Amino acid sequence: EAQVTQNPRYLITVTGKKLTVTCSQNMNHEYMSWYRQDPGLGLRQIYYSMNVEVTDKGDVPEGYKVSRKEKRNFPLILESPSPNQTSLYFCASSLTDNTEAFFGQGTRLTVV
Amino acid sequence: QKEVEQNSGPLSVPEGAIASLNCTYSDRGSQSFFWYRQYSGKSPELIMFIYSNGDKEDGRFTAQLNKASQYVSLLIRDSQPSDSATYLCAAPGSGTYKYIFGTGTRLKVLA
Repeated sequence: EAQVTQNPRYLITVTGKKLTVTCSQNMNHEYMSWYRQDPGLGLRQIYYSMNVEVTDKGDVPEGYKVSRKEKRNFPLILESPSPNQTSLYFCASSLTDNTEAFFGQGTRLTVV
Repeated sequence: QKEVEQNSGPLSVPEGAIASLNCTYSDRGSQSFFWYRQYSGKSPELIMFIYSNGDKEDGRFTAQLNKASQYVSLLIRDSQPSDSATYLCAAPGSGTYKYIFGTGTRLKVLA
């Protein structure tokens, strides 16, 4: 089954404690993205990757890091989480930057 | 100007009516446009995509694109309560590689 898998689904953490949210896709897609979704602000792109070892900033990259060492995986790293990073996060993949996006199930992160 | 703009709603329509959702975009180079539906707490899922000027129909859904006016819309005919969701418009930017979404329009179909 074609899918994008994110883990964990829910996470509560404390300020400053490094965390990683994993994302994996099995569709051999080249383009992958991370978004955060906040009430009234819609989906905002954090980082995207055009292919292995090619990543770039989206509209809200501050406080986040990503890596793309393999085509299928695109982890999101919060080196020092802060309460303003409390949000619902989605990973998405698509064949290119101009085709249908497939989304993971979402990760609800709370930073206290 | 935001890259992709939508009215946040809520847009309330009675069951069986036509719901009309609108989206404007700023990048004249955008070539493809997508409508996603998102139920509360769930992931967005693709409803329609359109590349060419004019209308594209798929069941109860019709997407309309006017590149000269930088306007894309989604019509939902015979609206059902199960259509109640947030509808997100996406217009991937040309040359930027960003995949940008509007803030979404919340649709409520009243039984």
